[in-house]
Amino acid sequence: NAGVTQTPKFQVLKTGQSMTLQCAQDMNHEYMSWYRQDPGMGLRLIHYSVGAGITDQGEVPNGYNVSRSTTEDFPLRLLSAAPSQTSVYFCASSRSRVNTEAFFGQGTRLTVV
Amino acid sequence: KNEVEQSPQNLTAQEGEFITINCSYSVGISALHWLQQHPGGGIVSLFMLSSGKKKHGRLIATINIQEKHSSLHITASHPRDSAVYICAEETSGSRLTFGEGTQLTVNP
Repeated sequence: NAGVTQTPKFQVLKTGQSMTLQCAQDMNHEYMSWYRQDPGMGLRLIHYSVGAGITDQGEVPNGYNVSRSTTEDFPLRLLSAAPSQTSVYFCASSRSRVNTEAFFGQGTRLTVV
Repeated sequence: KNEVEQSPQNLTAQEGEFITINCSYSVGISALHWLQQHPGGGIVSLFMLSSGKKKHGRLIATINIQEKHSSLHITASHPRDSAVYICAEETSGSRLTFGEGTQLTVNP
């Protein structure tokens, strides 16, 4: 099994550009989430989904959109990139929302110039 | 302020040493997660526990619910254990709040 696959691994954007970070899992997990990791801070939740067609905001949702049209895919869209969105982004999935092991993608290092 | 506090922030050990990383949290939880992040960035789940103790190879995780404290122990440490270790509290509603991580370096 591939587990959780994130693409791309690295990306440089100019301020104002848009892009989509892709996340796919092949474990039939209901729960998927996006986090950002910044120096000196723990991972912070951006958006999450408890199943196809259902998404909700996390701790730091501003500037990001998500959708969940299938169980497998949970893309994260940056609508108009800002330097404050320079970060490492992780997608994660788990079998259910509570008390289950989380599986993480390899991360996407995004730089906005 | 992050509700999950880890200590120490950085830890350097010699190969073979017994290592302890501590995690304190502030609210009632449904589970406590320990994760490992290697250089190169990938994150792997090590343990998820809500009571008592779990062991996997040379790694042991314990939790004291009354004291809101968890520890991760590594016995007979090895340079390949060098990584960032992260604890995260899972509260009702399954929000994960992460600590900042402990950078462990094990020298040969």
